[in-house]
Amino acid sequence: GDSVTQMEGPVTLSEEAFLTINCTYTATGYPSLFWYVQYPGEGLQLLLKATKADDKGSNKGFEATYRKETTSFHLEKGSVQVSDSAVYFCALRSSSASKIIFGSGTRLSIRP
Amino acid sequence: DAMVIQNPRYQVTQFGKPVTLSCSQTLNHNVMYWYQQKSSQAPKLLFHYYDKDFNNEADTPDNFQSRRPNTSFCFLDIRSPGLGDAAMYLCATSTWNQGRMADTQYFGPGTRLTVL
Repeated sequence: GDSVTQMEGPVTLSEEAFLTINCTYTATGYPSLFWYVQYPGEGLQLLLKATKADDKGSNKGFEATYRKETTSFHLEKGSVQVSDSAVYFCALRSSSASKIIFGSGTRLSIRP
Repeated sequence: DAMVIQNPRYQVTQFGKPVTLSCSQTLNHNVMYWYQQKSSQAPKLLFHYYDKDFNNEADTPDNFQSRRPNTSFCFLDIRSPGLGDAAMYLCATSTWNQGRMADTQYFGPGTRLTVL
């Protein structure tokens, strides 16, 4: 079945560091791919998405590119801020399904 | 602002005492979801409604039930909460239109359930 694997956390970085959170997926066909962010005590918010191969999703300085050849959707940001501290979930929805499959989440902590 | 609202934000119940969690939305979306999220884990889908059509996940325990009296409201009923049911419960909405599910789900802030 469909699945998402993302790097385990926690990830701790200093402010202004470069961020990469790896995500790979297994799915039939051409799924839509997402990154959701969950700030402490809150629900999930969609951060960015990509719906077809080679698409790049971007928002708030974060980027991820849909790589079908490597089945990956890695999240990157060039310069993180303390306010980026949160849990990040990679997720997919296959074209034939109504539900989203989430990865296990990566907790990110940014030191001032 | 259009949004997904969950009440209460924090709920404490006793072992075995039925509890109901509430979700409402002003987005007029026809699909509503309930997820269970335990600490440091991904959200786990319990069930979802497409309009009034109820779709249960195969591994959702019978202890969890749901009602959707109208488009705006959806309830999660836990008939006999156990200690293992302590978790964050997330409601989400989306749209299904002309045979296609929208990509984006909109989440509420969640209700944190404590079972004593």
